[in-house]
Amino acid sequence: GEDVEQSLFLSVREGDSSVINCTYTDSSSTYLYWYKQEPGAGLQLLTYIFSNMDMKQDQRLTVLLNKKDKHLSLRIADTQTGDSAIYFCAEDNNTDKLIFGTGTRLQVFP
Amino acid sequence: EAGVVQSPRYKIIEKKQPVAFWCNPISGHNTLYWYRQNLGQGPELLIRYENEEAVDDSQLPKDRFSAERLKGVDSTLKIQPAELGDSAVYLCASSPPEVNTEAFFGQGTRLTVV
Repeated sequence: GEDVEQSLFLSVREGDSSVINCTYTDSSSTYLYWYKQEPGAGLQLLTYIFSNMDMKQDQRLTVLLNKKDKHLSLRIADTQTGDSAIYFCAEDNNTDKLIFGTGTRLQVFP
Repeated sequence: EAGVVQSPRYKIIEKKQPVAFWCNPISGHNTLYWYRQNLGQGPELLIRYENEEAVDDSQLPKDRFSAERLKGVDSTLKIQPAELGDSAVYLCASSPPEVNTEAFFGQGTRLTVV
């Protein structure tokens, strides 16, 4: 089945690290993605990881993939107020169709 | 380079009325997607085009929804007649050939049916 789950909210202090978690069900997914959505805007692709990797780092972003537990996380180092947004993880279940989670609203306070 | 352009940004209509959304994908992107995002949810795929061919429309409610991409570029999504439950943000996305890992999204059209 297709089901991607995320916690709804995360609140962090500016300068701290944020960790957003996601679980998925389809082990056949080729890629897993993290998208960011700011108010009134479309989705912006932040990063993606190939399913045979367990970590990918891109500047302040670190993606960890535990394929055995079907768990994906996004760590944002030195979180800034501009990082406040909704973050969606998504899997492709080995097709060209993205299955999105419900999104995690990240709030960064000073 | 311009991103994915959608219009209108907002639309308010009465139930049972028709409505249409328009999408202009990024130049050269042959894959085009329409997603629907309900409030507090992630986007869900309605239809995917490869050039002018609809290759996945399994989630499109075909009794009232239709879509077209006549020349393999712009696309329109239509609802006729609209129902209250159709209120959502309709997102268009496109991706370049053979790189379907990078889907670029438009800002969406927020539809409110009253």
